Amino acid sequence: GENVEQHPSTLSVQEGDSAVIKCTYSDSASNYFPWYKQELGKRPQLIIDIRSNVGEKKDQRIAVTLNKTAKHFSLHITETQPEDSAVYFCAALPNYGQNFVFGPGTRLSVLP
Amino acid sequence: DTAVSQTPKYLVTQMGNDKSIKCEQNLGHDTMYWYKQDSKKFLKIMFSYNNKELIINETVPNRFSPKSPDKAHLNLHINSLELGDSAVYFCASSQRTSGLFTDTQYFGPGTRLTVL
Repeated sequence: GENVEQHPSTLSVQEGDSAVIKCTYSDSASNYFPWYKQELGKRPQLIIDIRSNVGEKKDQRIAVTLNKTAKHFSLHITETQPEDSAVYFCAALPNYGQNFVFGPGTRLSVLP
Repeated sequence: DTAVSQTPKYLVTQMGNDKSIKCEQNLGHDTMYWYKQDSKKFLKIMFSYNNKELIINETVPNRFSPKSPDKAHLNLHINSLELGDSAVYFCASSQRTSGLFTDTQYFGPGTRLTVL
């Protein structure tokens, strides 16, 4: 089945710097890759997603890139702010009708 | 309006008891899910369900069972609770029909289950 790895597990950056989180997946048939942000004590919330027919997607300070050949996708956050501090999860959807597989999460701390 | 809601928010119970967690979504989605998030924050799918099929993660003990009275509800029943069941349980929903097809999942607020 699908396996999703995520690195790093923790990441600390200074406010204003960029943060990059990378995920790799194993099933080449996976075609949908969302990213979720989970603040302490809250629910995971979708922040951006990308489908396999697209190489890059951007939404203000957040962008996601996908390399289907290498089977990895990355989250890029620019001009980080303290409110970006949270746990970020990547996920992959192997096939229609199957379940999402989540990465283990990255705890991002943005230091003021 | 709350899109995906769960009750209760907190649940503290003794080992061996049977308990249920309720989930409701008002998004008109056709698929609902249950996830378990342990103390290390790993988010693991337990079930996905729509009116046609139930997909069970093979690692889920059969003490856990989803029950769906209708398309907007997916409740989680847990029998003979064990210490290791302590975790936060999240319900989620998405629309998985063909046509305007989207897999975006919306999560409920979570239920923190503590087994003593």
